[in-house]
Amino acid sequence: DAMVIQNPRYQVTQFGKPVTLSCSQTLNHNVMYWYQQKSSQAPKLLFHYYDKDFNNEADTPDNFQSRRPNTSFCFLDIRSPGLGDAAMYLCATSRTRTGGRNEQYFGPGTRLTVT
Amino acid sequence: AQKVTQAQTEISVVEKEDVTLDCVYETRDTTYYLFWYKQPPSGELVFLIRRNSFDEQNEISGRYSWNFQKSTSSFNFTITASQVVDSAVYFCALLYNQGGKLIFGQGTELSVKP
Repeated sequence: DAMVIQNPRYQVTQFGKPVTLSCSQTLNHNVMYWYQQKSSQAPKLLFHYYDKDFNNEADTPDNFQSRRPNTSFCFLDIRSPGLGDAAMYLCATSRTRTGGRNEQYFGPGTRLTVT
Repeated sequence: AQKVTQAQTEISVVEKEDVTLDCVYETRDTTYYLFWYKQPPSGELVFLIRRNSFDEQNEISGRYSWNFQKSTSSFNFTITASQVVDSAVYFCALLYNQGGKLIFGQGTELSVKP
């Protein structure tokens, strides 16, 4: 039944050590999103893919990269994690970006700890 | 500028009370969409409802109801006869027709005590 799956659920990494978070979906949605959510804050969009088209938010640090090798999978790479990157990372999907069927469905999130 | 304001940071009620969560939005677009999401302690954001700017009909789903008023730029959410399982953070969000980006309010943490 799982629709948006994120692995791992908890990730601990060391300061400066690259880390990759994974998201997969069984909904066959065209759009996949990555959000960062820090404690007691609202989710903040980092970037999204519309099919293979990558859309970066203007204020997303260069330290964050993403890959979408196929429709089902999307990865978030943090090249050199800092203590300030500790957060919950949420993946979401939607069928469209605008118009109808644009509701976003979220995965359970990966909680990243940086030591 | 697009903005969503949830003025209530925390609300605490006793089970079976009705509770309304407020949401006020700002946008210059004529076409936009409003959403409510629930985030329980497990962390997953659960989609509750979507409304487009052309549909001001109120909606009821079980104990949940939503009141959309364009005249006051509000999209309020009422839970009737609240239950402990309703305890969560609730986010109101705006998606405008430029596409893709959900603008979230700061969230309202609802605590329902037995």
